[in-house]
Amino acid sequence: DAMVIQNPRYQVTQFGKPVTLSCSQTLNHNVMYWYQQKSSQAPKLLFHYYDKDFNNEADTPDNFQSRRPNTSFCFLDIRSPGLGDAAMYLCATSRHRTAGAQHFGDGTRLSIL
Amino acid sequence: GENVEQHPSTLSVQEGDSAVIKCTYSDSASNYFPWYKQELGKGPQLIIDIRSNVGEKKDQRIAVTLNKTAKHFSLHITETQPEDSAVYFCAASIINTGTASKLTFGTGTRLQVTL
Repeated sequence: DAMVIQNPRYQVTQFGKPVTLSCSQTLNHNVMYWYQQKSSQAPKLLFHYYDKDFNNEADTPDNFQSRRPNTSFCFLDIRSPGLGDAAMYLCATSRHRTAGAQHFGDGTRLSIL
Repeated sequence: GENVEQHPSTLSVQEGDSAVIKCTYSDSASNYFPWYKQELGKGPQLIIDIRSNVGEKKDQRIAVTLNKTAKHFSLHITETQPEDSAVYFCAASIINTGTASKLTFGTGTRLQVTL
């Protein structure tokens, strides 16, 4: 089945130790999004790619970076995780920029020790 | 920017009853309104959406209504079942040809369907 796959489902890292989360999609969608979701809150958009064009939200911390080496894969890099970065990180895709509907993966839950 | 308010924050209904969740948005330029269901430990799943040129849309037991003048939209679930228990998010977006669409989410409603 075509889908959005996030690995790993659970990630534990140490305070200040860089961590990378990955997302792959078999939908061949042009747009990929990264969201942060904290407990009992709505998803918060961090950034998105339209093809290779990177778009950062104004309030996304500099600590967060992203890479999209090809259509299928997108990575979220957290350079120096702090305790406040513990959250669920969700990847989503959209067929093209006017498609509207976004398809989410099941997320990676990040814990910081 | 867009602001989406969602009510109620929690909703408990008996199996078989109907559930209604309401959202209001602030930006009159918003023209796409999806609803997502999120089960514990999973990502949000799109369950129904509506565009601003339509007033109502129905898919089996779920329906969405949109009032553009009042800037509010609602999710209706009829004949609720225990598997409908989840957190539901509304969202609003502006779709145009210039930029990729971005969702602004409501704060979520935790729906509990009791036996």
